[in-house]
Amino acid sequence: NAGVTQTPKFQVLKTGQSMTLQCAQDMNHNSMYWYRQDPGMGLRLIYYSASEGTTDKGEVPNGYNVSRLNKREFSLRLESAAPSQTSVYFCASRGGDTSNQPQHFGDGTRLSIL
Amino acid sequence: AQSVTQLGSHVSVSEGALVLLRCNYSSSVPPYLFWYVQYPNQGLQLLLKYTTGATLVKGINGFEAEFKKSETSFHLTKPSAHMSDAAEYFCAVSENSSASKIIFGSGTRLSIRP
Repeated sequence: NAGVTQTPKFQVLKTGQSMTLQCAQDMNHNSMYWYRQDPGMGLRLIYYSASEGTTDKGEVPNGYNVSRLNKREFSLRLESAAPSQTSVYFCASRGGDTSNQPQHFGDGTRLSIL
Repeated sequence: AQSVTQLGSHVSVSEGALVLLRCNYSSSVPPYLFWYVQYPNQGLQLLLKYTTGATLVKGINGFEAEFKKSETSFHLTKPSAHMSDAAEYFCAVSENSSASKIIFGSGTRLSIRP
């Protein structure tokens, strides 16, 4: 029962370095999401992919890029990391064809930018 | 546009006392509503959801929530708090449309006093 798997779980980067966060789901879900979680701000949507082959910006897309590699995998890339991107990143997936389905979350990637 | 407001970033109750976590939403179309729980260093887990039908929704761990359209509210309650309920709770809204996004509130941290 893997569900949504995120790698790595922890990472420390220096300012200006690049990195890709990986996410994979085994539930055959169409939609996948990337959020960041910061204290007192809840979860903010960075990018989402409603189906394989499509991606859309969320609330806070600046400084990030995404790739929906196939139905299972949705990666998030930081091209030039900045201290403001220090956060906990969550990937989620959602099945079904309507908006009444909940999201399933991974355990998060804790990212620190020095 | 959708939005979610959670009143109170931190709620503290005694073990055995009533838990009430408040959530108000804004949506231009009938919403789907969700409550999630997050334990330390974990991802979010679905507690319950409202889609259509009965306005009182029962979830896991003894929690329930009532959808009140006239008050645009979806408050979460539990009659008797347990120490294991200490966590962060998020309310979320999804529009009843083809859009795939879910918008989260900023979260309420629930503490339980012995």
